[in-house]
Amino acid sequence: NAGVTQTPKFRVLKTGQSMTLLCAQDMNHEYMYWYRQDPGMGLRLIHYSVGEGTTAKGEVPDGYNVSRLKKQNFLLGLESAAPSQTSVYFCASSYVGGPNNEQFFGPGTRLTVL
Amino acid sequence: AQRVTQPEKLLSVFKGAPVELKCNYSYSGSPELFWYVQYSRQRLQLLLRHISRESIKGFTADLNKGETSFHLKKPFAQEEDSAMYYCALIRGSQGNLIFGKGTKLSVKP
Repeated sequence: NAGVTQTPKFRVLKTGQSMTLLCAQDMNHEYMYWYRQDPGMGLRLIHYSVGEGTTAKGEVPDGYNVSRLKKQNFLLGLESAAPSQTSVYFCASSYVGGPNNEQFFGPGTRLTVL
Repeated sequence: AQRVTQPEKLLSVFKGAPVELKCNYSYSGSPELFWYVQYSRQRLQLLLRHISRESIKGFTADLNKGETSFHLKKPFAQEEDSAMYYCALIRGSQGNLIFGKGTKLSVKP
């Protein structure tokens, strides 16, 4: 099993460009998450999904959109990239929520917006 | 507001010394807390969770509700413990995690 995979690994964008980050998991998990990690800030939740066809806002959703058309995939979109969105993006998935929740993380996508 | 605070950005100890990574939280209710670890060039992964009261790789963490703390401890640090450690708190029934800013542990030979 590959676990959680993310595509692409690296990307450089110009301000105003758009792109989509793809997260895929092969563990049949219901819950999926997108985080961003910035120096000195830890991980902050952007959006999450509790099942196919559902999405919800996290802590820092502005400037991002997501879709969960298939259970195994969770897409993160940037419609008009800004330098403030330069970050490392992590996807995660979990079987359930709550206190028994263990989130499994992808390897990350390093995005630079010039 | 729900919050996780890790006061130390960097903690450096010598091999064989005890280590304590501090975590304080702010939460109205019964908190569920976790420690996640990210070794160099590896993915972020769960180290231990409060609810399991387990010891993983020699690490333990005790929830102290009076001091609102969940410090991570190990009596004898090893070089392979060098990593980034994140304390996290569950928020809500959907299991969203609030992460602290992380502490980088460096174990010197």
